[in-house]
Amino acid sequence: EVQLVESGGGLVQPGGSLRLSCAASGFTFSSDWMHWVRQAPGKGLVWVSRINGDGSMTNYADSVKGRVTISRDNAKNTVYLQMNSLRAEDTAVYYCARDPGGSSGWFYFDSWGQGTLVTVSS
Amino acid sequence: DIQMTQSPSSVSASVGDRVTITCRASQHINTWLVWYQQKPGKAPKLLLAGSTLQSGVPSRFSGGGSGTDFTLTISSLQPEDFATYYCQQAHILPLTFGGGTKVEI
Repeated sequence: EVQLVESGGGLVQPGGSLRLSCAASGFTFSSDWMHWVRQAPGKGLVWVSRINGDGSMTNYADSVKGRVTISRDNAKNTVYLQMNSLRAEDTAVYYCARDPGGSSGWFYFDSWGQGTLVTVSS
Repeated sequence: DIQMTQSPSSVSASVGDRVTITCRASQHINTWLVWYQQKPGKAPKLLLAGSTLQSGVPSRFSGGGSGTDFTLTISSLQPEDFATYYCQQAHILPLTFGGGTKVEI
């Protein structure tokens, strides 16, 4: 069974930093693209970033580009999201998600973590 | 960016009703469209990728469409189907979601 468990969320002041982690199990972690998706309170889903299986390719939403870095440690089956220069509008539940599409051209999410809440406020 | 527009934003329905949700893409996306269900306080759950039902998803859910116009249909609404549904275009970065459709009693 695929399991994704996020951690690292919390309250941070504007301009601060936070590193989110997502521990994965139940599948061959190093084979799959992994993503972060966020959801502001009461709002819809927004894609944030993705990383390929070996960590050599990454992509970001424009809203976080330059402030956020996605990375992974395949030895630890963990994907990370380093978030810097945080703003109030970054307040959201952050989900990590597995992408089963491989090289098919499909980019979507068949497994999600429970989410971790990031609150940016003074 | 490809804009995804869902309608309606909310729908009131009863158990046993047939419910159809529409998703429109601002650009042609072939059949690169997936649907998720989200219940309050929970992570989204994948329902369909294209017209392919995911394992464990009841057959009362179906999806169709191509190009720019897509539909999710629930043929006979069950109590556990009351939730918010999102579409997502699954091919062009940045990946984008519709605004959601809340199915209410």
